[in-house]
Amino acid sequence: GAVVSQHPSWVICKSGTSVKIECRSLDFQATTMFWYRQFPKQSLMLMATSNEGSKATYEQGVEKDKFLINHASLTLSTLTVTSAHPEDSSFYICRAASGGWTDTQYFGPGTRLTVL
Amino acid sequence: AQTVTQSQPEMSVQEAETVTLSCTYDTSESDYYLFWYKQPPSRQMILVIRQEAYKQQNATENRFSVNFQKAAKSFSLKISDSQLGDAAMYFCAYTVEETSGSRLTFGEGTQLTVNP
Repeated sequence: GAVVSQHPSWVICKSGTSVKIECRSLDFQATTMFWYRQFPKQSLMLMATSNEGSKATYEQGVEKDKFLINHASLTLSTLTVTSAHPEDSSFYICRAASGGWTDTQYFGPGTRLTVL
Repeated sequence: AQTVTQSQPEMSVQEAETVTLSCTYDTSESDYYLFWYKQPPSRQMILVIRQEAYKQQNATENRFSVNFQKAAKSFSLKISDSQLGDAAMYFCAYTVEETSGSRLTFGEGTQLTVNP
């Protein structure tokens, strides 16, 4: 079946630094990538939607200058958390889609970010 | 705006027994799609079952089945012959088809414990 990978699976960084998370669709072309944030024992909250070659669309309340999303190819999207702070510590999950709901839609395994 | 509500934060079941997880949603759309996702301790999101709103027949996948009541906007998940591996957080989700990747709206989740 289709596989979506994320790298790194976990990262610890110092406050004020930037962290890049990669999401790759390994055997299909993802025209759309979704980025979610999940706090412990809570649901997934959509942060932004990106279409290949276009600027990402951010959800209300998500700072686009802090969470930079790039979707430069049909198999790779990146989320960069700039000037990270402890409150940015969370679990970040990507979802790759190749079209409408009937098409391949798979989640990455997630990245645990801890900001000290 | 579409909303998805899971009123049971936690549920428990004895191994080999049957358990039903509840989900209600609110939408003004007539054509949409509903899902149940499982998130085990690994935190990898796994699609359990999906239902097209235009189909009257309830979806089934092995030990998993749904009770879809469109008029009541209810979409419950029944797990039969529960196994220890079914222990996980379960999320109900909703989407309408969009041209470039369908956004999922998630419920709050239900933590299922399976007792041996």
